[in-house]
Amino acid sequence: EIVLTQSPGTLSLSPGERATLSCRASQSVTRSYLAWYQQKPGQAPRLLIYGASTRATGIPDRFSGRGSGTDFTLTISRLEPEDFAVYYCQQSSPSLMYTFGQGTKLEIK
Amino acid sequence: EVQLVESGGGLIQPGGSLRLSCAASGFAVSNNYMSWVRQAPEKGLEWVSVIYNTGTTFYADSVKGRVTISRDNSKNTVYLQMNSLRAEDTAVYYCARGLGFGDNSWGQGTLVTVSS
Repeated sequence: EIVLTQSPGTLSLSPGERATLSCRASQSVTRSYLAWYQQKPGQAPRLLIYGASTRATGIPDRFSGRGSGTDFTLTISRLEPEDFAVYYCQQSSPSLMYTFGQGTKLEIK
Repeated sequence: EVQLVESGGGLIQPGGSLRLSCAASGFAVSNNYMSWVRQAPEKGLEWVSVIYNTGTTFYADSVKGRVTISRDNSKNTVYLQMNSLRAEDTAVYYCARGLGFGDNSWGQGTLVTVSS
């Protein structure tokens, strides 16, 4: 099983600031199979990034993803009020169990 | 329009069984990777199971041997049969298409509560 560890657990920032979220894998993950999701209270998760760096349909360009191997990053360039939520990374390597990170809560400072 | 609608959740006693359904519209479940993901109260997301377009299935260690994923192509529906339920299985269960891929979509979830 590939374990994904996200950091920090909680990130306190103000609107307009830049957010950098980290996801580290216990073994190498092919870029194609690394995704990021946003979840707000009472809602299903929403796909933000797939293939480590490709924005999903309708996702603003302030969201960007990068990384390879065991280290991946989600960056939100300028935080909008609606961006405060919980973010999860997830890997879907073929023929392996899928896994999620434990999540990073992005809260308003 | 792509839509996923889960049903079948509810209150069940420990040791009981439950079958969750995920009715899909706007696409064919037979051509997609369909997953179940759960979220315990105030906790993070936990992947439960996936069925590939080929019919191959995988399960999380936490449910292996107690859970079976299947699909009925004629009804365009995916199922999750859960047996020997435990308190720690209490969660909102989401159905998802293409987890981790660009055509990903999610249902609204169905709540399963395991309690006596």
